[in-house]
Amino acid sequence: DIQMTQSPSSLSASVGDSVTITCRASQGIGNYLAWFRQKPGKAPESLIYAATSLLSGVPSKFSGSGSGTDYTLTISSLQPEDFATYYCQQYKSYPYTFGRGTKLESK
Amino acid sequence: EVQLLESGGGLGQPGGSLRLSCAASGFTFHNYAMTWVRQAPGKGLEWVSLISAGGESTYYADSVKGRFTISRDNSKSVLFLQMNSLTADDTAVYYCARREVAFYLDYWGQGTLVPVSS
Repeated sequence: DIQMTQSPSSLSASVGDSVTITCRASQGIGNYLAWFRQKPGKAPESLIYAATSLLSGVPSKFSGSGSGTDYTLTISSLQPEDFATYYCQQYKSYPYTFGRGTKLESK
Repeated sequence: EVQLLESGGGLGQPGGSLRLSCAASGFTFHNYAMTWVRQAPGKGLEWVSLISAGGESTYYADSVKGRFTISRDNSKSVLFLQMNSLTADDTAVYYCARREVAFYLDYWGQGTLVPVSS
C-alpha cells in the first residue's frame, strides 16, 4: 500500500496569512494526488485533483504543486472558513490512501 | 446539481450486519464509479471500497475485505454497502463519494453514522 505522510499535523495562522501543507507518498504517484478540506462536523469538500488542478468553483487562493512523491497545498489570504482540517489522498493505486490530516487553527 | 444522500446508519451490534444506501441524483449514475469512505470519531479519513461504473469490478480496504460488500443498482441510481461481522472498529461516519472519470473523487454525501456497540 502507498503511505501518505502529511505535515504538519496542526498549524496556527491568522486571517490574511498564507500557509503551506505538505504530503509525501511512500512511492511515486505520478500526480494522482487530491486535496480535501473538511470543516468541523461536515463532509469533506474536494479542492484539487491531479496535484495542481482546481475543481470547478474552488477559489484560486488554493494552489497545489509537486511531482513524484512530494506535493504541497498552499492557501493564501486565509479567511475564517478556511480554518478546517485538510487531507491529501493518492488515487494512483488501490487501496486509495489518505494523509492523516492537517488541522489549520486560528491564531 | 449533483446530490448524494446516504441512509441506513444507526446502532449496529458487534457481529451484526447493516446495509447502507447512497441515493444519487443530478448526474448519469451509471457513468461513474462510486466509493465509500469512512471516518471514525475524531480520526482521519479512511477509504473503504470502490465499485466500477457498471458494477463489474470492486475493490476493498484490507480492514473490511471479506466482511463488507459494495454493490449498486444503476436502474435506481443507488449505491450500497453491506456490512457484516461488525466490530467496534467499524464505528464511523460513512460517506459515499463519486469518482470522476479522471479517477479523483469530486462529490461527497453528507455521511451516515454507524456506531457499533452492545
